Amino acid sequence: AQTVTQSQPEMSVQEAETVTLSCTYDTSESDYYLFWYKQPPSRQMILVIRQEAYKQQNATENRFSVNFQKAAKSFSLKISDSQLGDAAMYFCAYRTIGTNAGKSTFGDGTTLTVKP
Amino acid sequence: SQTIHQWPATLVQPVGSPLSLECTVEGTSNPNLYWYRQAAGRGLQLLFYSVGIGQISSEVPQNLSASRPQDRQFILSSKKLLLSDSGFYLCAWSVLPLSGASSYNEQFFGPGTRLTVL
Repeated sequence: AQTVTQSQPEMSVQEAETVTLSCTYDTSESDYYLFWYKQPPSRQMILVIRQEAYKQQNATENRFSVNFQKAAKSFSLKISDSQLGDAAMYFCAYRTIGTNAGKSTFGDGTTLTVKP
Repeated sequence: SQTIHQWPATLVQPVGSPLSLECTVEGTSNPNLYWYRQAAGRGLQLLFYSVGIGQISSEVPQNLSASRPQDRQFILSSKKLLLSDSGFYLCAWSVLPLSGASSYNEQFFGPGTRLTVL
């Protein structure tokens, strides 16, 4: 079974600065997806960024980018130019692909505080 | 466009009472459907998933059950709630891509139901 570990329960960053959230995972599969989700106080799960394991290039979405190290099974999220609206809980997730319904495994989350 | 609905948004139930949470999806056909539970301060735990009407797979042994009576309807139930069933329940859907296993299939989440068992 896959596991996802987020070792930082809480992180804080000054507005306009950069912060990196860590995520490691364990799997025996060679192809899969990785995701970062944001959960604000409304508790709606919002997809931030995704990465296909077969792609070597790191995904980027505006101020959000990832550092995907497949051999190390590491998938960190970098938030540049942090904004107050970035404050939320962030979850790293692993998803299987293929015919087994794309089940996801989530980490326990990192609560990000943005200081003005 | 596709939308996903969950109700109720909030529920307070006594221990031993029954439970029925409903999730419906609009704007897509034959979706995969999922029930997750989120304990306070924790990540999401997959409870059930379904790839079609009447097809339910359980991920963890528990006091809950799921049913899919229609293509776009997913129901989470319990005959007798336990204190440990309290949490935030999220329904999600995705569609397997037609072009093969390597294509992306995003999972979309509903607004959730906050269940408190007293």
